[in-house]
Amino acid sequence: DQQVKQNSPSLSVQEGRISILNCDYTNSMFDYFLWYKKYPAEGPTFLISISSIKDKNEDGRFTVFLNKSAKHLSLHIVPSQPGDSAVYFCAAKRGSSNTGKLIFGQGTTLQVKP
Amino acid sequence: EPEVTQTPSHQVTQMGQEVILRCVPISNHLYFYWYRQILGQKVEFLVSFYNNEISEKSEIFDDQFSVERPDGSNFTLKIRSTKLEDSAMYFCASRAYNEQFFGPGTRLTVL
Repeated sequence: DQQVKQNSPSLSVQEGRISILNCDYTNSMFDYFLWYKKYPAEGPTFLISISSIKDKNEDGRFTVFLNKSAKHLSLHIVPSQPGDSAVYFCAAKRGSSNTGKLIFGQGTTLQVKP
Repeated sequence: EPEVTQTPSHQVTQMGQEVILRCVPISNHLYFYWYRQILGQKVEFLVSFYNNEISEKSEIFDDQFSVERPDGSNFTLKIRSTKLEDSAMYFCASRAYNEQFFGPGTRLTVL
């Protein structure tokens, strides 16, 4: 059940440059999207989210863009820092779900090189 | 800053044994969740809990699994008879609004 897909298993960028992580989804009923960061042996840490009624949300160095027609969202990190090196998960929630159950992508491992 | 806590951090058990994983959600949150991540795979939803009852469960969450909120602070996941394939990281999460906040996880190893 691949409703949320992160097609790039890994990404390597230079410190100070932009990191762009991508996520695609198939279920048009998703109305809320979240990005989580995960370090080894830790739980996912909430980063930023976006409602389907918006196309952009910004929080400091992190910006999430949503293209509903393409069923695509992306996370931009500018400037990238070595401490950003982690696994990034995209997650989505169905509007019809009262429970708030999240469906996750497979994750993208980001490496930021000093 | 309030956070979700989980104990133990690592649990090793023999196949067929019962395990209880414990979580303390963030105090003003009303929705509680268990997810798991098998090594190398994606994070998967197991169950959601609201108002002292299960609100949704996945097909993974069969009769061997149960959840409970025994008091005002703890939220537990019980696996009655563990199988080798239950080996995974188990994450508890809670939310007040749209964002779910996760605990550090319990690594369950079934031998």
